[in-house]
Amino acid sequence: GAGVSQSPRYKVTKRGQDVALRCDPISGHVSLYWYRQALGQGPEFLTYFNYEAQQDKSGLPNDRFSAERPEGSISTLTIQRTEQRDSAMYRCASSSSGQGDEQFFGPGTRLTVL
Amino acid sequence: GQSLEQPSEVTAVEGAIVQINCTYQTSGFYGLSWYQQHDGGAPTFLSYNALDGLEETGRFSSFLSRSDSYGYLLLQELQMKDSASYFCAVYNQGGKLIFGQGTELSVKP
Repeated sequence: GAGVSQSPRYKVTKRGQDVALRCDPISGHVSLYWYRQALGQGPEFLTYFNYEAQQDKSGLPNDRFSAERPEGSISTLTIQRTEQRDSAMYRCASSSSGQGDEQFFGPGTRLTVL
Repeated sequence: GQSLEQPSEVTAVEGAIVQINCTYQTSGFYGLSWYQQHDGGAPTFLSYNALDGLEETGRFSSFLSRSDSYGYLLLQELQMKDSASYFCAVYNQGGKLIFGQGTELSVKP
């Protein structure tokens, strides 16, 4: 595709519900990253993949958060039993090689947990 | 642990030069990146320094000193459209990018 896309762009859910956020990276990009960004703060690393392998998940806040990229392309970030503190902008980025080169960010999913 | 420090706000006038500093503490350092983010938008890549020295790309330059764990972003001939948040980010051996808290640049006429 022309750029990184994410869906949904906005998600409002009730506390305790599960949500799945989708990221479609630039075609052919090896590396895919998930970040969470609070207003006025920098993106906070959550996890990243090279191809389908999850390389680092040290940024996932707790075991309610999980991510997968089963075919090395589209990725899904799942949050189970959502809590109000999970409300944030969730951003996905991809890069061609993951060797410090440019990361292309998607538009983000704004998650609001009521 | 890992930490990055950069000023929270900088104000400058159109046509001026501004320098945004970044100091970092991290293990397994590979390089320093800079990203720009306008209100409501996604971060966009500006530069990446893996080696000491200055990298120039048009009106923007980025500098790195690995021995001092320090870098800066230099913006010349400031324009109103440069008003945005600027983030330094450390790329480490594990392959992940750790962002600073950002510097909000306001360019005044």
